[in-house]
Order: sequence, then structure tokens, then C-alpha cells
Amino acid sequence: AQSVTQLDSHVSVSEGTPVLLRCNYSSSYSPSLFWYVQHPNKGLQLLLKYTSAATLVKGINGFEAEFKKSETSFHLTKPSAHMSDAAEYFCVVSAAGGYQKVTFGTGTKLQVIP
Amino acid sequence: GAVVSQHPSWVICKSGTSVKIECRSLDFQATTMFWYRQFPKQSLMLMATSNEGSKATYEQGVEKDKFLINHASLTLSTLTVTSAHPEDSSFYICSARDRREVGSYNEQFFGPGTRLTVL
Repeated sequence: AQSVTQLDSHVSVSEGTPVLLRCNYSSSYSPSLFWYVQHPNKGLQLLLKYTSAATLVKGINGFEAEFKKSETSFHLTKPSAHMSDAAEYFCVVSAAGGYQKVTFGTGTKLQVIP
Repeated sequence: GAVVSQHPSWVICKSGTSVKIECRSLDFQATTMFWYRQFPKQSLMLMATSNEGSKATYEQGVEKDKFLINHASLTLSTLTVTSAHPEDSSFYICSARDRREVGSYNEQFFGPGTRLTVL
């Protein structure tokens, strides 16, 4: 069984300030973890993924996330928010190996204030 | 690489009609594709897993006779919403898994989505 919890449904930051989107997961097996971004009425774009290599994962557009097994967390961060970062962000977990389904978090809406 | 397309991107239909949505993997082969449904301001909910050459596996609560899935080739899966009603109006998103990466990281590549509005 697996699950993912996004702790904040809505995050608001000022342009140029750091971004932190929180995600905790639960998995019976070694997980693969992903962060996706979705702009309004658009599909999902992969930001980054953790696949049991380095625990600090760097993604596109300056985002990164750190896998912390002891805390079962995979928080998404960015040093400086840009207006174009305003979107919905989904944390996703999948058990590694086999034809495993993925489980989506409920999403965090990021608002960037000019 | 790893591009998934959906067609149409949006469709409006009358209640009682059927609508077919196509999902294609453009530059890779996918033995497994997934269909999701997303209501406004909500997360994606998995509807079914589509396996090439075999029957789809539906999630609990999803009517298989209403949402017909066909995965006839390694690059195409279709979702047909039969006898559509206004409550079927939603954003439908497909994803595909590269057959070469099965068993590794289970990354899914997502299509851009199809907005269905049933009048």
C-alpha cells in the first residue's frame, strides 16, 4: 500500500522569496517519488524524480527536492520564486519495480505575489 | 523524447452521445497506459489501467461499460465515454509508461488532457 500527503493545499509567496512545498509519503516498498506541475487547463509536466540514486534531486526551472527516508518526506524547494511558477503542484509516489500504479497527492496551489 | 498526445484537446457533446478520446505515445512504445479523471481544483483520480492486447483494469467505482478502453497497439489507447451525461464533464488525462523502462522507476509520461463538456 502507498499514499502521499501534501501538507498544504495552498501556498503563497512573494516573488523572489524561497518556495517550500511539503510532501510526506507512505510506501511498503522502496518508493519512486515525483513532483509534477500543472498550469491551468494543461497537462502535467515532470519537475523531478527520485529513483534511489542521489537523495538530493535537482529538477527543471531551479526546483529541487530532498528524499529523507527517516522523515518519509520529499519536500520541493526553490530558492527564488518567479511569477511563472504559479501553478498546481502534485507529489506522486510509486513503488519501484513491476507494473505499479502511482498515487497522487491532493495538490498544492502555489501563488506568487508580485 | 517521451511525448504523449491526446486528441481532441476539448470536446462538447450532447447528453446521450458517445465520445472517443485518443491517447498516443509519439516516440516510444507503451505496453501500459493509464486514464485519469480530474475534477476542477482536485487531484487526478485513476480510472483504469490499459494494457496492450488485453482487457483494461478498472478502479473501484468506475463503470467499465460506460468508460470503454481499447489499447489495440503499443502506441494508442482510446477511452470512449458512452451515453455521456453532464456529470461526465471533466478533464481526462492519459499517461503512458515506456516499455523499455518497465520494472525500473515507473515514470509515467502524461498527455495534455482532454476537456469534455456534456450539455
